Amino acid sequence: KNEVEQSPQNLTAQEGEFITINCSYSVGISALHWLQQHPGGGIVSLFMLSSGKKKHGRLIATINIQEKHSSLHITASHPRDSAVYICAVTQGSGAGSYQLTFGKGTKLSVIP
Amino acid sequence: NAGVTQTPKFQVLKTGQSMTLQCAQDMNHEYMSWYRQDPGMGLRLIHYSVGAGITDQGEVPNGYNVSRSTTEDFPLRLLSAAPSQTSVYFCASRYSTHQSHEQYFGPGTRLTVT
Repeated sequence: KNEVEQSPQNLTAQEGEFITINCSYSVGISALHWLQQHPGGGIVSLFMLSSGKKKHGRLIATINIQEKHSSLHITASHPRDSAVYICAVTQGSGAGSYQLTFGKGTKLSVIP
Repeated sequence: NAGVTQTPKFQVLKTGQSMTLQCAQDMNHEYMSWYRQDPGMGLRLIHYSVGAGITDQGEVPNGYNVSRSTTEDFPLRLLSAAPSQTSVYFCASRYSTHQSHEQYFGPGTRLTVT
């Protein structure tokens, strides 16, 4: 089973700061997912990537397959970015595979 | 599209009671799954389905049953509720079972068993 580790567990930032959340995994994967969960809210998929880099607005996700590591960056952070960010990986092949294994999440608080 | 819907949003049960958590999706997704989320732990897979009539166990299936009679619906049944089943439950779906695809999550059901 893949082990997914996230760091830091908790992060407090001032509004406007550049934020990095890290994710590492133990076994080769088919894809890595970054998810966002607001307090008391549902879970939204931010990115799915298997190589390189993706950007959406102020969010950037990168992955290094050789290092088994991914980072989620938030530029010009804003209080509305306060949420739990969850890293998850899929691995496998064939029908019924590609189950998600989740990290425990990083709780981000952005202070005005 | 409504996406993935779950009912109820909140539920309190007494130990030994049974109930069904409802999940539906209108995106014609093949794959549906149920997760539970507990403090300090990552989401854990309870059961999943790769299509109508086909279900399988995940990491933590004990105490739960599922069925998939249609593509749209994937209910989760608690047979005899226990305090250890106090959790937030998320239903999710994705287009294909054969590849990595973006997953869509429902809003969650917060269950308390007393």
